Amino acid sequence: ELKVEQNPLFLSMQEGKNYTIYCNYSTTSDRLYWYRQDPGKSLESLFVLLSNGAVKQEGRLMASLDTKARLSTLHITAAVHDLSATYFCAVVLYKLSFGAGTTVTVRA
Amino acid sequence: KAGVTQTPRYLIKTRGQQVTLSCSPISGHRSVSWYQQTPGQGLQFLFEYFSETQRNKGNFPGRFSGRQFSNSRSEMNVSTLELGDSALYLCASSSKQGNYGYTFGSGTRLTVV
Repeated sequence: ELKVEQNPLFLSMQEGKNYTIYCNYSTTSDRLYWYRQDPGKSLESLFVLLSNGAVKQEGRLMASLDTKARLSTLHITAAVHDLSATYFCAVVLYKLSFGAGTTVTVRA
Repeated sequence: KAGVTQTPRYLIKTRGQQVTLSCSPISGHRSVSWYQQTPGQGLQFLFEYFSETQRNKGNFPGRFSGRQFSNSRSEMNVSTLELGDSALYLCASSSKQGNYGYTFGSGTRLTVV
């Protein structure tokens, strides 16, 4: 069974600083997704990573995928309050298997 | 381009009742999958339908069932509701084996009392 582990589970960020969320998974897969969820809301797609070495950036967020290490990272640059949310990574075998989520709080 | 539409948004049901949730995927998407989200268990896969056929099923009891229609719209049904079925139910649509990602609907918040 595919296991997806995210860490940290909780991240208190100071505005303006940089942080990284890690996503490890247990079985070979070349497709990984990052989602954002605001409280009480659905999942918003952030990144689709389809190959080893894939790197995608959108605003202050950058995601990368290393399929050999079975590791993806979500890097946050110069955190701002709007980034407060829960971030999930998900890996595909025949279904999306999600990590537990990283709850991010940005403080002034 | 319309997104994934889930109805209803909120439901309150009594234990023992049954419920049907609906999901209309993005136009042209033939794959619909369902997920249950709870604070304790996180996001768990229920099942996936493609071209009216169930392709995969998660580890849920038989009270949870679904179907997909020829227009790709999908329904899931939960019979004999239990308190533990209270959750946010999300459906996702995708095309081409998810190579362009999975787009989620707004979800149905089910509360069983």
